Amino acid sequence: NAGVTQTPKFQVLKTGQSMTLQCAQDMNHEYMSWYRQDPGMGLRLIHYSVGAGITDQGEVPNGYNVSRSTTEDFPLRLLSAAPSQTSVYFCASSSGQGLETQYFGPGTRLLVL
Amino acid sequence: GDSVTQMEGPVTLSEEAFLTINCTYTATGYPSLFWYVQYPGEGLQLLLKATKADDKGSNKGFEATYRKETTSFHLEKGSVQVSDSAVYFCALSRVAGGGNKLTFGTGTQLKVEL
Repeated sequence: NAGVTQTPKFQVLKTGQSMTLQCAQDMNHEYMSWYRQDPGMGLRLIHYSVGAGITDQGEVPNGYNVSRSTTEDFPLRLLSAAPSQTSVYFCASSSGQGLETQYFGPGTRLLVL
Repeated sequence: GDSVTQMEGPVTLSEEAFLTINCTYTATGYPSLFWYVQYPGEGLQLLLKATKADDKGSNKGFEATYRKETTSFHLEKGSVQVSDSAVYFCALSRVAGGGNKLTFGTGTQLKVEL
């Protein structure tokens, strides 16, 4: 198993550009989520999904969109990037039925100029 | 709402020293508690967890006990190694909307020197 994979590893954007951060897992997990990590603030939940076709907002959803068309994939879209979205983004998954361990991807480092 | 507070770093120790990283939480009900570790350039990995009061989680020589009376989950290791240098995150989890939501502390960087 590859676990949770994320692409790209690093990306530079200009303000106003759009992009999609990819996340995939091969563990047949129902629950997937996106976090951003900023210095001194830990990880904050952006969006999450409890299964294909179902998504919901987390703590900091503004400026981000998600969709979940398959169990395996959970892309995160930035429609119009802003410097405040410069961060490291982590995708995570778990089996979702209760308090199971979440498994994290290696992260995507995003710089918005 | 839920929150997790952990000691600020960086914490710098000599190899074989004793480690304590403090973590306290605020939450209603009975969340599960976790310690995650992030090695340089990598994602987070689960280090240990405890799901109810007085449970002790342990892994790789690290231990933490779920203390509901003091709302704490302090991480300890008797003898640290250089390879333990990483950022450690305390987190709590509760079931919400069909999945579990993690609330993280801000992280504590540990540096272990020879």
